Amino acid sequence: GAVVSQHPSWVICKSGTSVKIECRSLDFQATTMFWYRQFPKQSLMLMATSNEGSKATYEQGVEKDKFLINHASLTLSTLTVTSAHPEDSSFYICSARDMGNNQPQHFGDGTRLSIL
Amino acid sequence: GQNIDQPTEMTATEGAIVQINCTYQTSGFNGLFWYQQHAGEAPTFLSYNVLDGLEEKGRFSSFLSRSKGYSYLLLKELQMKDSASYLCALYNNNDMRFGAGTRLTVKP
Repeated sequence: GAVVSQHPSWVICKSGTSVKIECRSLDFQATTMFWYRQFPKQSLMLMATSNEGSKATYEQGVEKDKFLINHASLTLSTLTVTSAHPEDSSFYICSARDMGNNQPQHFGDGTRLSIL
Repeated sequence: GQNIDQPTEMTATEGAIVQINCTYQTSGFNGLFWYQQHAGEAPTFLSYNVLDGLEEKGRFSSFLSRSKGYSYLLLKELQMKDSASYLCALYNNNDMRFGAGTRLTVKP
């Protein structure tokens, strides 16, 4: 079945550091990928929709200059958290959907980001 | 908006049947999906409905009524490992929105 790989799984770094998270679709092409953030015991919140070859679409309240998204190929999207601060600590999850009607989104394993 | 509502928490006994409801307010959507999420892990796909009616997949079934704005996930023969959050999601035009999830605890 479709598999989405996300890397790294864990990041612990100092405040002010920029962190890059990769999301890859392993056995299908994805023109669109999605980035979510989830705080403990809360729901998944969509941050942005990553579009191959064009600019990402950000949800209201998400700073595009803070969360840089690059979707350079049909199998790779990256999210860079720039100048991360403790309040950015969260669980970040990407997802992608194989083309075709009503195909489910498949999620990466998530990245747990802790900013000290 | 798509306001998606689910109960926050539910508790059930091992071996029993539990129904997790999801109600929504939206003008239209392509499909309704159910995901399971264990603590600290990413969601995994369980089931989806496009048309009204019941979709059965082993111990899990999902039902949709578009006219009533309502879906449910039915879990049979509950096992301890079914303790997790269950997320209802609406999919429309390449956009998927999740409910807050229902945290299910299965007790012996």
